[in-house]
Amino acid sequence: QKEVEQNSGPLSVPEGAIASLNCTYSDRGSQSFFWYRQYSGKSPELIMSIYSNGDKEDGRFTAQLNKASQYVSLLIRDSQPSDSATYLCAVRSSSGSARQLTFGSGTQLTVLP
Amino acid sequence: DGGITQSPKYLFRKEGQNVTLSCEQNLNHDAMYWYRQDPGQGLRLIYYSQIVNDFQKGDIAEGYSVSREKKESFPLTVTSAQKNPTAFYLCASSIGGIWMDTEAFFGQGTRLTVV
Repeated sequence: QKEVEQNSGPLSVPEGAIASLNCTYSDRGSQSFFWYRQYSGKSPELIMSIYSNGDKEDGRFTAQLNKASQYVSLLIRDSQPSDSATYLCAVRSSSGSARQLTFGSGTQLTVLP
Repeated sequence: DGGITQSPKYLFRKEGQNVTLSCEQNLNHDAMYWYRQDPGQGLRLIYYSQIVNDFQKGDIAEGYSVSREKKESFPLTVTSAQKNPTAFYLCASSIGGIWMDTEAFFGQGTRLTVV
């Protein structure tokens, strides 16, 4: 069973702080990793994708990947109340008949004004 | 505008009924997926399809059926065999087949409730 694990939270940070969201995965051969944001009652929307070890920055968001440690993270700089949502980590498995996207259970983030 | 359209947004099912959830995309994506989300949980894969007239079971296919007669459409039927169907259902698509390392984009979701 391929697994993706996230700390469910809730994680609370003050406005303007850095929010750090973490994800580990069990399939060592996984090659593609994604972060989605999901507001309450809404569908997930893609924030970042990352495929190589290291950091990838997009505006206030930075995704970090460490394949050796099977770890991917998302940093949100200058957090805003509008960032309050559940963040889902998704990993595309490397083999098997499906190569499906497997999702973690999500981390609920609250940014306090 | 390109996107994925799910309908209806809310659906109520009586015990023993089959219901069909619609999913249409105009992104020209090859792969389409159905996920189920329960409160406080991640997404679980029900079915996926890489090309027309082909689909495969995901992790929780029991009690569900799908068809893929057109590239743009991937309807999901929740049958009476699904004992606990109340959930948020999400349709997604991705460019290329699932063998490509591409992200999936989601429709707005259908919230199904058994009454």
